[in-house]
Order: sequence, then structure tokens, then C-alpha cells
Amino acid sequence: QKEVEQNSGPLSVPEGAIASLNCTYSDRGSQSFFWYRQYSGKSPELIMSIYSNGDKEDGRFTAQLNKASQYVSLLIRDSQPSDSATYLCGQGAGGTSYGKLTFGQGTILTVHP
Amino acid sequence: GAGVSQSPSNKVTEKGKDVELRCDPISGHTALYWYRQSLGQGLEFLIYFQGNSAPDKSGLPSDRFSAERTGGSVSTLTIQRTQQEDSAVYLCASSLNLNRYEQYFGPGTRLTVT
Repeated sequence: QKEVEQNSGPLSVPEGAIASLNCTYSDRGSQSFFWYRQYSGKSPELIMSIYSNGDKEDGRFTAQLNKASQYVSLLIRDSQPSDSATYLCGQGAGGTSYGKLTFGQGTILTVHP
Repeated sequence: GAGVSQSPSNKVTEKGKDVELRCDPISGHTALYWYRQSLGQGLEFLIYFQGNSAPDKSGLPSDRFSAERTGGSVSTLTIQRTQQEDSAVYLCASSLNLNRYEQYFGPGTRLTVT
């Protein structure tokens, strides 16, 4: 069973702090990872993709991938109440099923003023 | 530009009836995906299309589920003889192609089977 696991939270941080979201995966065959944000009652919204080891920054968001340790993380700097949502980690499948994304259960983030 | 669109946004049906859910991908996106999300559950992959072809149907829960795509654009997901456990939000996503994994989701169809 190829799995993606996330700390389910909920994670609560004060406004302005750094929120750290983590994800581990078991399938070493995939090279692609994604972070989605999902507000309650809405569909997932892509916020970051990462394909290579190391860090990738986009505005207040930084994705980190460590293939040796099989984890991927998302850092949100200067967290805002509007960042409160469920964050989904997704892994692209390798091999012949490479169109498929496998998602973790999601981490609920609450940013309090 | 326009994003992924889905219809209907909500569907209530009686157990045993057939339903059809529609997805219109982002213009120019050749790959299309169907997922479902049950209350409190994660996203579950159902099927994907590259063009009109569905190479991987392994995620379809049972033979009551089928999907097709015509003209490399619109896709329909059909559920026959619906059951209460089919109640979920059905999400469609599209990507430029299978080599560009960034998938963009539509607003979903909330299906309730009574």
C-alpha cells in the first residue's frame, strides 16, 4: 500500500508565526509532490509543487523535499487568519499510473489573531 | 481564464437511481482526473484520462461506476444503481498533460443518495 501520511492536527498558531506542516510517504518511485489548501466546503487549491530535493519558495510559502528521509513539508511564514484551512499533501504516482495523485488525510491549520 | 467547471453542483437522488456528473476541464488541458471526497475523508482517486483514453481505471469502486470523455474535453462520470455509500463530493481536476502534474480542481458535485 503506497501511503501518504500527514500529522492530522489540528495545528494552531498565532498570527504572524511560522506554521510547519509535514508529510511522509512510502513510495520512493514518485518524483513529484504537491501541497493543496482546502477551505471548508470548497475544493482543493494548488499552492505549491516540488520535484527536486531541497527548498522551493513562493511568497510566504516554502516547500521542502527530502527524498532520502521520504518527507515533504510546507512552511507558511507570517501566518494570517486567512491561511486557516485544511492542507493536503499529494504525491504523484510513478510508473504507468503517473496520472494519479495520492493524498494524505490533511492537516487542519488554525491561525488565531 | 476559466477554470474547471462541474455540473450539477448538488445532486440528491434516491437509492437505486442512476446519476451522471459532468466535468469541463480547463481549455487546452489534455489530462483529466476524477476524485471523490467523503465526509471527513481524504481525496480518493477514481480514474484519469489522457485525451479520450483511460489507462488506469483501478480506482473505480465498483462496476456501477463508469466514465467517459469525448472530444478530448468534457467528461462524464456515471454511477448506476446508486447506494448510500456513494454519497460524497465528486471532484474533477485537469492538468496540461500527464507530464505536468499540477492538477487544478473544479468546484465539485455534492452527491447525496437518500
